[in-house]
Order: sequence, then structure tokens, then C-alpha cells
Amino acid sequence: VIWMTQSPSLLSASTGDRVTISCRMSQGISSSLAWYQQKPGKAPELLIYAASTLQSGVPSRFSGSGSGTDFTLTISCLQSEDFATYYCQQYYSFPLTFGGGTKVEIK
Amino acid sequence: QVQVVESGGDVVQPGRSLRLSCAAFGYTFSSYGMHWVRQAPGKGLEWVAVISNDGSKKYYADSVKGRFTISRDNSKNTLYLQMNSLTAEDTAVYYCTRDGGSYQLDWGQGTQVTVSS
Repeated sequence: VIWMTQSPSLLSASTGDRVTISCRMSQGISSSLAWYQQKPGKAPELLIYAASTLQSGVPSRFSGSGSGTDFTLTISCLQSEDFATYYCQQYYSFPLTFGGGTKVEIK
Repeated sequence: QVQVVESGGDVVQPGRSLRLSCAAFGYTFSSYGMHWVRQAPGKGLEWVAVISNDGSKKYYADSVKGRFTISRDNSKNTLYLQMNSLTAEDTAVYYCTRDGGSYQLDWGQGTQVTVSS
């Protein structure tokens, strides 16, 4: 099983801020990493796959980077609609695993 | 427009069984693998199971292996999750997702399963 450490678990920020979320793997996964956004009471939505490929329709202020064991999701200029919980997921091997989530809240 | 719609969630007693369904619309169902992912109340996401596009390959999370069975009927564009020997730890919203290459490309709105006496 590949274990994932996502940090921070809670991030307080203001509109316009640049925010960064980290995801670290217990072993290398090449670029087999996805990021999802989940708003309260809603299903998650895919933001990024293959560590850095933006899903169609996702704003360009979202970006992903990393490979191997260390990955980052960056929101370059936080908008009001970005306050949500973010999850990373490795899909390098089964069982697939998710990070614990990062809640981005209004400061 | 791609859409997946879960159904079958209910309140059930511990030890009982339940079958979830997921109907797919707007794409060629038989060309894509499908997953189930769940989320316990106030908790994070947990991957449950995946099935290949033709149903020949299946993988499960250790927490459900031997109790849950994923299956599909490509003639009905429908995915299933048969859940047996349910416990309180299986209480969650269950999401059906379309596979994008082992990541979750599209999600349904979820169906609530509550295991309680």
C-alpha cells in the first residue's frame, strides 16, 4: 500500500493569495497523481491528473508539479469559489489511495 | 454530456446486504473502467473498487475485499456494487466514478448508505 501525507490539513487564506498544498508519497509513483476539489455537500471534481495536466475547463490559476514522491498543488490567485477541500490521489498501483485532504478556508 | 447516477442507498442493519447501482449516460459505457469511492461522514475519500471496461479485471480495497463485489452490465450501461456483511464502518456516501486512466474522471452525486441497528 502506498501511503500519502497531505499537508497542511487546514489552510487559512484570503482572496488573491497564492496557496500551496503538498502531497508526499511513501514510495515513488512517477507522475501518477491526481488532484480533486470538493465543495460542501457536493461530489469531488477532477482538477489535475498526471501530476501537472489541467483537466479541461479548470482555470489556469490551478497548477500541479512534482514527480516521484513529492507533489504540489498551487492556486496562484485564490478566488472566492476556490474555498473548498482538496485531495491528492495516487493511481500508480492498487489499492488506489487518497491524501487526508486540505481544507482551504477564508482567513 | 457525461453523467453517472447512483442509486440504491438505504439504512440497513449490521450484517445485512445491499446492492448499489450506477447508471451511465452520455458516453460509450463499455469503453471505460468504473470505480466506487466512498466518504464516511466528516471524513476523507476512500477508494473502494474498480472494474475494467469489459469486466474481466477487478480490484478492491483491503477494507472491503471478500465482502463487496463490483460488477457491470454493459448492455444496460449500469455498474453495481454488491455489499455483504455490512458494518457501521461501511456507513458513507458512495460515489460512482468513470475511469480516466485509474484516476476519477467523472463523479456521480453519490448515494447514502447507513448501517445502523
